Amino acid sequence: EAQVTQNPRYLITVTGKKLTVTCSQNMNHEYMSWYRQDPGLGLRQIYYSMNVEVTDKGDVPEGYKVSRKEKRNFPLILESPSPNQTSLYFCASSPGGGAYGYTFGSGTRLTVV
Amino acid sequence: GQSLEQPSEVTAVEGAIVQINCTYQTSGFYGLSWYQQHDGGAPTFLSYNGLDGLEETGRFSSFLSRSDSYGYLLLQELQMKDSASYFCAVRDRSSGSARQLTFGSGTQLTVLP
Repeated sequence: EAQVTQNPRYLITVTGKKLTVTCSQNMNHEYMSWYRQDPGLGLRQIYYSMNVEVTDKGDVPEGYKVSRKEKRNFPLILESPSPNQTSLYFCASSPGGGAYGYTFGSGTRLTVV
Repeated sequence: GQSLEQPSEVTAVEGAIVQINCTYQTSGFYGLSWYQQHDGGAPTFLSYNGLDGLEETGRFSSFLSRSDSYGYLLLQELQMKDSASYFCAVRDRSSGSARQLTFGSGTQLTVLP
């Protein structure tokens, strides 16, 4: 089944403890992206990648890192999480954006205490 | 930068037609997309308009006017299952590189029996 898989689905962590949210897609898509969703703010782009080793900042990149060493994987790293990073995170992939649309993962609900 | 405006809430009855408007301001505009998201779920791609005019996909249609920086999503023969949030998103280019999707804040559609 074609899908984007994120792990974990739920995570509660403490301030400052490094964490990684994994994202993997099995559709051979070139484009991958991370979004965070907060009430009333819609989906805001954190980072995106147009291919292996090609990444760029979105609208809210502060406090996050990404890497794209393989086409299928696009992990999101929070080196020192803070409570304002408590949010619902989505990974998404697309063969080319635009008319192809993005396929989203099921989301990761992160709480930083 | 980019900005998108859409109504925060829309209510309609089952079987009716509803239109969700979206206005945008962006540079290097490529196209307008629409996504549906049910509570707690992942956004799913509905439609894309890269050129002016109407695109129809079953009960859903989407329209774009690039000269007016305006688009809408039209939902016909509303069903209870259409109750969800609907997001418009622009694909644009900025800073010399192809940016990915920027989302509006979403419109919560409630379908009443």
